[in-house]
Amino acid sequence: DGGITQSPKYLFRKEGQNVTLSCEQNLNHDAMYWYRQDPGQGLRLIYYSQIVNDFQKGDIAEGYSVSREKKESFPLTVTSAQKNPTAFYLCASSMAGVLHEQYFGPGTRLTVT
Amino acid sequence: KQEVTQIPAALSVPEGENLVLNCSFTDSAIYNLQWFRQDPGKGLTSLLLIQSSQREQTSGRLNASLDKSSGRSTLYIAASQPGDSATYLCAVDSSGTYKYIFGTGTRLKVLA
Repeated sequence: DGGITQSPKYLFRKEGQNVTLSCEQNLNHDAMYWYRQDPGQGLRLIYYSQIVNDFQKGDIAEGYSVSREKKESFPLTVTSAQKNPTAFYLCASSMAGVLHEQYFGPGTRLTVT
Repeated sequence: KQEVTQIPAALSVPEGENLVLNCSFTDSAIYNLQWFRQDPGKGLTSLLLIQSSQREQTSGRLNASLDKSSGRSTLYIAASQPGDSATYLCAVDSSGTYKYIFGTGTRLKVLA
């Protein structure tokens, strides 16, 4: 089955620790995205990548880092510099070009205490 | 700066009703607009994508329209069912650079 997988579904960390969220897709999509969703707010773009070995900051990139070493994978690291890391994180992918649909993974809920 | 608004924030309707969800955007120069469905605690499911040159798209009981000049899109759901209960989000790509701006969603509850 083609799709996007995110692991784990729930993640708990202590404040001050870095944590990496996994996102893998087997849709052969060129572009991948990371969003953050907070209660009562719309999704906000953290980082996106249009092609392997290239990525751009979204609207709220501070305190996050990404890599795109393989077409299938786009891991997100939440660093200790992120002031409010507790949130629901969603990964998405799409074909190249501006007219293609975004497809989303099931999300990872991160709780930092 | 593009802003996307969805009103109402929540809606309850009896089963079988036809209903309309609204999405407004401030900058009419968009490339495309996408409607999604999100179930509690889950990821988003793409429902319909409307390109800037199109006025509407249909999929089953769903019909999405786009009026760029007025900065509005509507999602029409025919003969609503309890299984349609979810949050519906719209997202706009106004720069052609993969940066979608999302609305905050309309939480729909269809009562049996």
